[in-house]
Amino acid sequence: DGGITQSPKYLFRKEGQNVTLSCEQNLNHDAMYWYRQDPGQGLRLIYYSQIVNDFQKGDIAEGYSVSREKKESFPLTVTSAQKNPTAFYLCASSIAGAGVTGELFFGEGSRLTVL
Amino acid sequence: AQSVTQLGSHVSVSEGALVLLRCNYSSSVPPYLFWYVQYPNQGLQLLLKYTSAATLVKGINGFEAEFKKSETSFHLTKPSAHMSDAAEYFCAVSPSGSARQLTFGSGTQLTVLP
Repeated sequence: DGGITQSPKYLFRKEGQNVTLSCEQNLNHDAMYWYRQDPGQGLRLIYYSQIVNDFQKGDIAEGYSVSREKKESFPLTVTSAQKNPTAFYLCASSIAGAGVTGELFFGEGSRLTVL
Repeated sequence: AQSVTQLGSHVSVSEGALVLLRCNYSSSVPPYLFWYVQYPNQGLQLLLKYTSAATLVKGINGFEAEFKKSETSFHLTKPSAHMSDAAEYFCAVSPSGSARQLTFGSGTQLTVLP
């Protein structure tokens, strides 16, 4: 079955440590996204990538970094510079350049807790 | 710039009752509107989308939404709630229809009472 796989599902981190969240998709989608979800705030876009080796900052990119070396993979690193990293992180993908779709396909999320 | 307001962060209905989740938007251009559903500890799934073809949009699981330009609204309804409908629902708007420009509302948690 095609889909998006995020790992780990739960992650605990000490303050000052970097942590990398994995996102892999086998939908053959060009575009991939990382969102952060906090209670009562909906989803906020961290980074997105339309093609391999290219990515753009979203609305809340500070303290995060990404790479897009392969079409299938879009890992997110939460750095020690992120002041409030405890959140639920969602990876998504979409068909790029397909006109009006607006449809995102989501993974099941990674819950990061900073101790 | 566009924005989305979901009225009511929590809504409770009895099983079999009408479900009405409210969404109002602001957009400087004709918007494209979406409803997504999120079950506990999972990602979001598209319920339905409005792309200017028809004002009444039917989605999955018996949900539908009506675009009302004069009221800048896109409320989600279902005639008869089922226990399996308990989830969080997000309204989203995009000025161009592209996924990159989606702006999400803050969500409405739907509880279905037996």
